[in-house]
Amino acid sequence: NAGVTQTPKFQVLKTGQSMTLQCAQDMNHEYMSWYRQDPGMGLRLIHYSVGAGITDQGEVPNGYNVSRSTTEDFPLRLLSAAPSQTSVYFCASSRTGYEQYFGPGTRLTVT
Amino acid sequence: EDKVVQSPLSLVVHEGDTVTLNCSYEVTNFRSLLWYKQEKKAPTFLFMLTSSGIEKKSGRLSSILDKKELFSILNITATQTGDSAIYLCAVEATGGFKTIFGAGTRLFVKA
Repeated sequence: NAGVTQTPKFQVLKTGQSMTLQCAQDMNHEYMSWYRQDPGMGLRLIHYSVGAGITDQGEVPNGYNVSRSTTEDFPLRLLSAAPSQTSVYFCASSRTGYEQYFGPGTRLTVT
Repeated sequence: EDKVVQSPLSLVVHEGDTVTLNCSYEVTNFRSLLWYKQEKKAPTFLFMLTSSGIEKKSGRLSSILDKKELFSILNITATQTGDSAIYLCAVEATGGFKTIFGAGTRLFVKA
């Protein structure tokens, strides 16, 4: 099993550009989530999904969209990048809704 | 507002020392508390606690939850340099798949 994979590993965007961060898992987990991690602030939940076709907002959803058309994939879209979105983004999945398995992260810089 | 507070924010110890990391929380409809270890990249799961007073143990690491006083501790005995990492505490609430993370404790173990 590859576990949770994320692409790209690094990305630099200009303000106003849009892009999609990819996340996939091969463990058949129903629960998936996206977090951002900023220095001194731990992980903050952006969006999550409890199954294909079902998504909901987390703590910091503004400026981000998600969809869940399959169990395996949970892409995160940045609509119009802003410098405040410079962060490390982690995708995670869970079978039970309790312990989560995290991907390796995407480091995003917005200039 | 739901929140998770960890202390200390950072800690430097020598190999062989015992450390105690603290996590306090205020969460509506508490479901579980989890500890993760984050080395260079993705957090990895350590423990999940749902009941007060029951110690979870894995090798030199142990953790316990007090649901009356709303806190948990993570103990590491006979620390090794490989224990150097950020330790994250997270709390899950019922009514969704929303996880709230603390800011983490950065532990550095000197040889």
